Order: sequence, then structure tokens, then C-alpha cells
Amino acid sequence: EIVLTQSPGSLSLSPGERATLSCRASQSLRSTYLVWYQQKPGQAPRLLIYGASSRAAGIPDRFSGSASGTDFTLTISRLEPEDFAVYYCHQYGSSPFTFGQGTKLEIK
Amino acid sequence: QVQLQESGPGLVKPSETLSLTCTVSGGSISGDSYYWSWIRQSPGQGLEWIGFIYYSGSTSYNPSLKSRVTISQSTSKNQFSLKLTSVNAADTAVYYCSSRGYSSGWLDYWGQGILVTVSS
Repeated sequence: EIVLTQSPGSLSLSPGERATLSCRASQSLRSTYLVWYQQKPGQAPRLLIYGASSRAAGIPDRFSGSASGTDFTLTISRLEPEDFAVYYCHQYGSSPFTFGQGTKLEIK
Repeated sequence: QVQLQESGPGLVKPSETLSLTCTVSGGSISGDSYYWSWIRQSPGQGLEWIGFIYYSGSTSYNPSLKSRVTISQSTSKNQFSLKLTSVNAADTAVYYCSSRGYSSGWLDYWGQGILVTVSS
């Protein structure tokens, strides 16, 4: 099973700042099979990034993703108030499909 | 656009069977475009993939739940269902149904989720 470890567990920033969220896979994972979701309280997750670096439809360009080996990064260039939420990485390259434990992005 | 809606009891007794249904609109579960999936989220915790069913009837389950899980489909009703047997408090969670694109592979459309509490 591929374990995805997200860091930090929580991040406290102010609107306008840059957020960098990390997701590390426990074994080799093709970036094709790594996605990022955003989840707000009481809502289902929403797809942000697929293929580690491609934005889903309707996602603002302040969201970007990158990959290096087994390390994956989600960057939000300038935080907007609506960006404060929990972010999950998810892999579907190897069954069982797994999620990271999440990074909670909080307003400072 | 595919829409999904979970339904079922919100309270299940320990050792009994949890049964949920997902009604799909805007897409046919008889088509080959999606894997129809279940995911759950324990209170305050992360997300756990439960399994999926494909239009052909083939299924795949998380090994951690495989002995207790069955996912089935009703093409006439455009629904798919989840059964989880011998539940305990650890199965208390919000259960989501979702569509995983056959070509894309990712979970794109989600239901709103349904909270199922296991308690006597």
C-alpha cells in the first residue's frame, strides 16, 4: 500500500501570502496518478489538480502543483479568503487507492 | 454533468449491516465511462477509499474492508449500493459515493455525503 504523508498537518497564514503544501509517497508513484483535493466543512472534496500539475476545470491559476520523485507539492501563490480549507493528496496508481491525512490551512 | 445522491439509515446498531444507496443522474451506470465508488471519512479524520464497481459488474475493494464489503448495482434504477457487515463504532463516518473516470482515473463527481453513526 502506498502511504501518502502530508506536511505540515496545519498551516496558519494570512490572505495574500503563499502556501506550500507537501505530500510524500512511501514508494514510487507516477505523477500521472497523483491528484489534490480541497475540502471545506460540510462539503465533499473538490478536485484541484490532476496529474500532479494540471489544474482542473475552473480552478484559479493561483493553484499549482509539482512533482519531484516521490515528493509532490501544492502551491497557492496568493491566498484568498476562500482558500482556507483542508487539502488532501490522493493516489490511484496502486490499489488500494489512498489519501494523505490532510493539511489544514487556517487563517492567521 | 453527473450528480450523485446518497441515501440510507443514519443510525446502525453494532454488529448489524450498513446499507447505503447512491442514485446517479446525468449519467448512466450502464456506460463504460466511470467506476462507481464509495469513500468514507471518519469524524475529524481523513478519507478512506472503500471500493468501486464497474458497469460490467467487476468490483475492487480496499483489503482493509474486503471481508465485510459488497458493492452492487441496479442498472434499471441507475443506482449502486454499499453493504458493510458487522459494523462497529469505528465504522461511524460520512460515506460518499463518487464517480471515478475510466479514462482519467480520478474521482471527479461526488455526492454530498451521508453521516452514518454506529451506536446501540
